[in-house]
Amino acid sequence: DTEVTQTPKHLVMGMTNKKSLKCEQHMGHRAMYWYKQKAKKPPELMFVYSYEKLSINESVPSRFSPECPNSSLLNLHLHALQPEDSALYLCASSHRGGDPNTEAFFGQGTRLTVV
Amino acid sequence: AQTVTQSQPEMSVQEAETVTLSCTYDTSESDYYLFWYKQPPSRQMILVIRQEAYKQQNATENRFSVNFQKAAKSFSLKISDSQLGDAAMYFCAYRSSGWETSGSRLTFGEGTQLTVNP
Repeated sequence: DTEVTQTPKHLVMGMTNKKSLKCEQHMGHRAMYWYKQKAKKPPELMFVYSYEKLSINESVPSRFSPECPNSSLLNLHLHALQPEDSALYLCASSHRGGDPNTEAFFGQGTRLTVV
Repeated sequence: AQTVTQSQPEMSVQEAETVTLSCTYDTSESDYYLFWYKQPPSRQMILVIRQEAYKQQNATENRFSVNFQKAAKSFSLKISDSQLGDAAMYFCAYRSSGWETSGSRLTFGEGTQLTVNP
């Protein structure tokens, strides 16, 4: 199984709503990532979890709150978002370490629209 | 900090023909990894090919091959016998070799949108 599964695939939320994005992998990867991608742009790293601990936060606003409950799951909790936060949110996972086979596997993303 | 540059925002190719996508990068590191990812309209980023900087031999995966020029810091992707399913956005990406030295970060280029004409 080389799949990273993200739910939901599409999400429309108001600026006062609270919602969560979910990501799951069963490849035994101990590194998991959240990326944000705007149309026709490369993904931008938001967060990295290593062994279920947050290792990188790329100065992301606090209205985005990541959580890694166990080695297979990664959540992104959303609260009081702005319209400019509308984007494709990609989850990825990889083995940790310097081996080249630690390439990241990506999910299909959640298309988020903030209204 | 490392940077990755893809100078061709858009490319097109006829079905069954060959196309080359360009990528250059800047780094002071001697050991690193380079990747080409493909992102079709389905949105999922799919690894196409990887290259270890310490290997002189160019990587090949079926119809996909790279021309890795370490001294020139160039990493181009050649797609042979192009197929309609190859149409996608292609991203070149860089990763440091050591996990603790930013090895968790993928640095992406701006992407090249490839169109395959029937």
